[in-house]
Amino acid sequence: GEDVEQSLFLSVREGDSSVINCTYTDSSSTYLYWYKQEPGAGLQLLTYIFSNMDMKQDQRLTVLLNKKDKHLSLRIADTQTGDSAIYFCAESIGPGGYQKVTFGIGTKLQVIP
Amino acid sequence: KAGVTQTPRYLIKTRGQQVTLSCSPISGHRSVSWYQQTPGQGLQFLFEYFSETQRNKGNFPGRFSGRQFSNSRSEMNVSTLELGDSALYLCASSLALTSPDTQYFGPGTRLTVL
Repeated sequence: GEDVEQSLFLSVREGDSSVINCTYTDSSSTYLYWYKQEPGAGLQLLTYIFSNMDMKQDQRLTVLLNKKDKHLSLRIADTQTGDSAIYFCAESIGPGGYQKVTFGIGTKLQVIP
Repeated sequence: KAGVTQTPRYLIKTRGQQVTLSCSPISGHRSVSWYQQTPGQGLQFLFEYFSETQRNKGNFPGRFSGRQFSNSRSEMNVSTLELGDSALYLCASSLALTSPDTQYFGPGTRLTVL
């Protein structure tokens, strides 16, 4: 079945790197995503990775995927106070145009100045 | 381009009532998905519509229903409201069925059931 798990809370100091981890159970997932939600706002897609990739880098963001362990991580370099938000890991499963997206419960990132 | 809009932004209802939420996708987007977000359960998929047809459905009771119009606008209806239906309801639109890089979320409708 589908299940996406992530820790609830992470606190880092401004300027440090943040690493948010996620595990998923369905090995047939097609895409894996990271979304950011700021207070009072909807979700913003930060980045995504195809399930046949190991790594994707986009400016300060690095996504690592370990398919064997079904582990996904998001590394934010030089974390800023503006990065404080809830980060959701998600996977999409299903063929072609019938993919269903399952989200984790979200990790609240607190950046201490 | 205007983003995804959801109306109303806030709603207070009492148990047993019914409610209709509206979502207007980004112009040109034909797929609309609905999610329920609660602190305890996180984000849960409700359903997805494409070209006025429901293409995907999550594990919610029949009290939750939706529809999509020919202009791609979508409505979600919850009948016989229960306290546990209090949540943030998010709508997301994309060009095609769950395109990973074109899915945009609206700000949500905060529903409180008393």
